[in-house]
Amino acid sequence: QKEVEQDPGPLSVPEGAIVSLNCTYSNSAFQYFMWYRQYSRKGPELLMYTYSSGNKEDGRFTAQVDKSSKYISLFIRDSQPSDSATYLCATSSASKIIFGSGTRLSIRP
Amino acid sequence: EPEVTQTPSHQVTQMGQEVILRCVPISNHLYFYWYRQILGQKVEFLVSFYNNEISEKSEIFDDQFSVERPDGSNFTLKIRSTKLEDSAMYFCASSERTPNQPQHFGDGTRLSIL
Repeated sequence: QKEVEQDPGPLSVPEGAIVSLNCTYSNSAFQYFMWYRQYSRKGPELLMYTYSSGNKEDGRFTAQVDKSSKYISLFIRDSQPSDSATYLCATSSASKIIFGSGTRLSIRP
Repeated sequence: EPEVTQTPSHQVTQMGQEVILRCVPISNHLYFYWYRQILGQKVEFLVSFYNNEISEKSEIFDDQFSVERPDGSNFTLKIRSTKLEDSAMYFCASSERTPNQPQHFGDGTRLSIL
């Protein structure tokens, strides 16, 4: 079983829509959860960083962690064409980050 | 905003040659990492480094790989005898005080082995 699983997409939505991106993870011991955004030929850029269960909001982005079901979500409100990128969910174990395979998101103007 | 910088952006090397990838982490960060991403695949952990020692490494990080902090600002990844399968994007990252602090990534070096 993969440690972090993510639907690769691609996902295409119209500008202004609410986007929902999701991941599952296998190890209940994971405590820290992240969402990174990666543009083509660029490094992962940290969007959200959360500890344990609950919600965290930052502008148009909301991260949600449900440890009981081992489910991680990222919601993007009022999506913009500039949000078009690959979104990587991740968790950390000791000193390393374990990434999902990424979901490619396209926002249509 | 402080950032992690990596050089070169693209490195082309003949198979069997040694290559050194360079990184300047964020200045007050104490933990340093290397990751790689083979084209079309997920980002994979290679190694973490703290207090001039490797703190964790993956199965990928075999004897062909080494890391060094030669001075107060640079952090390097050396591949001794490159193979075709080493072709990938290599990302450097750093975090502030503990490995559970957020890791910030550079834009990577694209390594092409011919």
